[in-house]
Amino acid sequence: GAVVSQHPSWVICKSGTSVKIECRSLDFQATTMFWYRQFPKQSLMLMATSNEGSKATYEQGVEKDKFLINHASLTLSTLTVTSAHPEDSSFYICSANPGTGPTYEQYFGPGTRLTVT
Amino acid sequence: GQQLNQSPQSMFIQEGEDVSMNCTSSSIFNTWLWYKQDPGEGPVLLIALYKAGELTSNGRLTAQFGITRKDSFLNISASIPSDVGIYFCAGLGGSARQLTFGSGTQLTVLP
Repeated sequence: GAVVSQHPSWVICKSGTSVKIECRSLDFQATTMFWYRQFPKQSLMLMATSNEGSKATYEQGVEKDKFLINHASLTLSTLTVTSAHPEDSSFYICSANPGTGPTYEQYFGPGTRLTVT
Repeated sequence: GQQLNQSPQSMFIQEGEDVSMNCTSSSIFNTWLWYKQDPGEGPVLLIALYKAGELTSNGRLTAQFGITRKDSFLNISASIPSDVGIYFCAGLGGSARQLTFGSGTQLTVLP
């Protein structure tokens, strides 16, 4: 149980274009999902908290107009990188919290490798 | 914000040896989680700890939630080649559901 998928697993796009990444909880409902980015040999950096049916909460320094998050259902959150630039190239990982009981484990997707040329 | 200090940063061990890594924080956490990440993959949850002093095992892995709620350790016994990867601790505090991650421990198991 507690499987999270991401699509695509990797994407290459040209500078100036937009890219959408999907995060799905496959066997549970998630009122909250999280988006992280990870640079090589570094830890995960939280970008934003995605809340079903409401606006996402962005971490300090993360441009909300550049990283658009939509959490339209209890099993799907999307991250759109708008007007992508080479510095946006990174490994983007989502996680979801089953939100049941007193525990707060987060289950991670397999990640999406974004390369902006 | 809250920060986790994870050590060691990297380890090279012989197959069959035991491994220990730990995380410390200046803040109290209510939950400690340990994850393993393979290259190009998302982190996989290994062990979750919810109570101070709790000691939990998952196969060859054992983790403890420090009594002060500011630290946790992970032990791996009888290491095998597939243990190679990056291990992250993560803490959860207060009412937020956001995790704070340690910097990771890169484990290499030599045959």
